Amino acid sequence: DTVLTQSPALAVSPGERVTISCRASESVSTGMHWYQQKPGQQPKLLIYGASNLESGVPARFSGSGSGTDFTLTIDPVEADDTATYFCQQSWNDPYTFGAGTKLELK
Amino acid sequence: EVKLVESGGGLVQPGRSLKLSCAASGFSFSDYWMGWVRQAPGKGLEWIGEINQDSSSIIYTPSLKDKFTISRDNAQNTLYLQMSKLGSEDTAIYYCARAILWVFSFDYWGQGIMVTVSS
Repeated sequence: DTVLTQSPALAVSPGERVTISCRASESVSTGMHWYQQKPGQQPKLLIYGASNLESGVPARFSGSGSGTDFTLTIDPVEADDTATYFCQQSWNDPYTFGAGTKLELK
Repeated sequence: EVKLVESGGGLVQPGRSLKLSCAASGFSFSDYWMGWVRQAPGKGLEWIGEINQDSSSIIYTPSLKDKFTISRDNAQNTLYLQMSKLGSEDTAIYYCARAILWVFSFDYWGQGIMVTVSS
């Protein structure tokens, strides 16, 4: 299975730029997606295909990468962005999620 | 408006079976791959599997392939997850989700349904 590795947590101040990384154990081409999940809610798709912004998602969110290294960038970060962010790959069967990065605002 | 509503969850004894349903509306259900994802309390997301439009292709995470069965009824716009031989490790919120065509990310999710496996 393709293992996706994410940093467990980050803390940033509002207005700053934050990058959340996801590293795959093998190439997933551009089959990488990013989700935001707030407590008690279902996940929300932010980025699909590594760099495509989902409709309705603010342009403060962007994604980049291909192969094994991917990044979700939020610039600038707002207080409402406090959440856990998950990456998911859909290139290799079985599809897998990363363990999530919890973003906290200082 | 796209809506996905899960049902059929609750408390179940270890070793028993349970079948979840996901009622879809607001889109052409038969045109999309659909999938299930679960989340144990306080844990991350676990991809369970996905089914294609006419049920001719179903993929699972290997550890659950012998326990869980995904199916769909396009006439009823409903997705199913049949779970058997349940154990405490299956306690989780179960989400159904719609997959974006050709990309296979999940663009719409249900609100989730809790399944608790306990005696």
